[in-house]
Amino acid sequence: ELKVEQNPLFLSMQEGKNYTIYCNYSTTSDRLYWYRQDPGKSLESLFVLLSNGAVKQEGRLMASLDTKARLSTLHITAAVHDLSATYFCAVVRSGGATNKLIFGTGTLLAVQP
Amino acid sequence: DVKVTQSSRYLVKRTGEKVFLECVQDMDHENMFWYRQDPGLGLRLIYFSYDVKMKEKGDIPEGYSVSREKKERFSLILESASTNQTSMYLCASTLGGAGTEAFFGQGTRLTVV
Repeated sequence: ELKVEQNPLFLSMQEGKNYTIYCNYSTTSDRLYWYRQDPGKSLESLFVLLSNGAVKQEGRLMASLDTKARLSTLHITAAVHDLSATYFCAVVRSGGATNKLIFGTGTLLAVQP
Repeated sequence: DVKVTQSSRYLVKRTGEKVFLECVQDMDHENMFWYRQDPGLGLRLIYFSYDVKMKEKGDIPEGYSVSREKKERFSLILESASTNQTSMYLCASTLGGAGTEAFFGQGTRLTVV
């Protein structure tokens, strides 16, 4: 059974600092997504990572994937308040009638001025 | 742009009531999903559908059923609502085959009293 774990669950950061969110998953998968959710809003896709060693960057966020370690990271550089949100990783579970996305627990990021 | 629309943002229902949550997507996507989101648990898959009238159980189907009579519409049914079904419910759709990026609706916050 595919399990997806994220840590930390909650992260309070100061503006300008760097930090990393970790996403571990238990069985092999061929792609991994990162989503962002603002309070009271739906999920917005940030990155899709398709292969071992894949790295994607957008602004102050950089995501990477190590399929051998079954680990993805979301690195935040020089955090700003606008990055405050909940971040989810999601891993594709294949099999059955169609592929499904299995989500991690989410990381609530609060960037303090 | 893909649009996934859920019929209600907020619902308050009484214990024992039958509850319908509706979701409509406008991009002719094959697959539709219902998740519930709870703090510290992330998103958990309730049911999904891969074609009209076709459905499969997700990871937490107990107490729920679904209906997909038309390709664009996917309904989640709580046959007899209970307080432990108080949650945020999110609908998502994906294109069939390898395109598993999920597009989400805005969510329905259901409170069962």
